[in-house]
This record gives sequence, C-alpha cells and structure tokens, in this order.
Amino acid sequence: EAGVTQSPTHLIKTRGQQATLRCSPISGHTSVYWYQQALGLGLQFLLWYDEGEERNRGNFPPRFSGRQFPNYSSELNVNALELEDSALYLCASSYRGLEQFFGPGTRLTVL
Amino acid sequence: AQSVTQPDIHITVSEGASLELRCNYSYGATPYLFWYVQSPGQGLQLLLKYFSGDTLVQGIKGFEAEFKRSQSSFNLRKPSVHWSDAAEYFCAVGARGGADGLTFGKGTHLIIQP
Repeated sequence: EAGVTQSPTHLIKTRGQQATLRCSPISGHTSVYWYQQALGLGLQFLLWYDEGEERNRGNFPPRFSGRQFPNYSSELNVNALELEDSALYLCASSYRGLEQFFGPGTRLTVL
Repeated sequence: AQSVTQPDIHITVSEGASLELRCNYSYGATPYLFWYVQSPGQGLQLLLKYFSGDTLVQGIKGFEAEFKRSQSSFNLRKPSVHWSDAAEYFCAVGARGGADGLTFGKGTHLIIQP
C-alpha cells in the first residue's frame, strides 16, 4: 500500500512570493492534516481538511490556506512568504480521525 | 488547552541497554496518545498508539508504551536498543475524531553509544 506522498521535496522561494505544496493521502483516507516543523518551534498543527472541507486550523495567519480536491489530495498555499516561513511542511492522512500517517515532507526555504 | 511535555531533550543510551522516554500530557477529555519517530530530514513514522483498553500497548520495532491516567503519562520503552534506533522521538496527543490535529511534544533526541 502506497503511503502519503508530498511534492516537491524541496522548494526555494524569495520573500513575498507564493508557495504551493501538494499532498496525496493514503488510498481510502478522507482526512488530510498539514503541520509546520520550524527550527526551534517544533511541530505545529496548521490545517485539517476532511471530505473536501476545511474543518479546523491552528494558530496561523490567513495567508496560510489550502484546499482538498475530490480525490482527497490537498494543496497548501502560503502567500506573501516571510523568512520565518522556512520550515519542513508535513502532511498526514487519516481515516475517520484515527491515527495519522505522515508523508516525507516538503522543505521550504525562503530567501 | 492541551499540551505535551517531553522533559528530556537528549538521551544517550548504550547499544543493548534498555530505554525509557518520558511523556506527560495535559488534556481535558480522554486523549488519543501517540509516539512517532523521525530520522533526520524525514517525515514521522508512527511507532504506537493508545485509544482505549489495555494500558500497555505494543508497537513496531520492539517498542511499547504504558498509559497511566493518574500520572497523565505515556512513557515509551524498549528493552534493548539498536544503533538504528538513533532518531528524534515525539509524543503526541489528539482528540477523538481528529478535530484539533495533534499536539506534539518538543521531542527527545536519542543517541546510541556503541
């Protein structure tokens, strides 16, 4: 069974640009979660999508947004990039809110 | 608000020795509890989970954890560590149904001495 996949592996942007990160969940999973792992800040919950809808978000500004597609894949958009947005962005999927399985992450570097 | 404390930032253990990583949580309702492991530059791998029932749970790679409600703890143990166990370990708590995402501890960096 294929795991959670994320693309791209690495992404380099400059301050003020927009970044788009993609995630494909495990087959049969309807929920996708996004987390940010920034140096010194640990793992923080960003967004939760389930059945195509945004269900909850963590303590992040509105320039962090995303969507979930009918095939349950998801993308995370970060607008007006700031230097402190540099982090590893992890996507996880789950079925009915049970355990979350994580992808390998996208390393975003903002210059 | 929920929180997770992993009091040990770094732990060094000799290969073949036993291991215990500590985790304390604060959560208003009955929690879902997890341990994940992360190798450098990689995503998180689920080691084990506790939802309900037997308070001693078995996971992959020979790890186990014990849920102690009275102490709000969910410590991870392994009887004999291998050099390949060197990694970052995260304890996490979540709501039933996954509504709030997972709240993670800061992690414990495990170093294995030969």
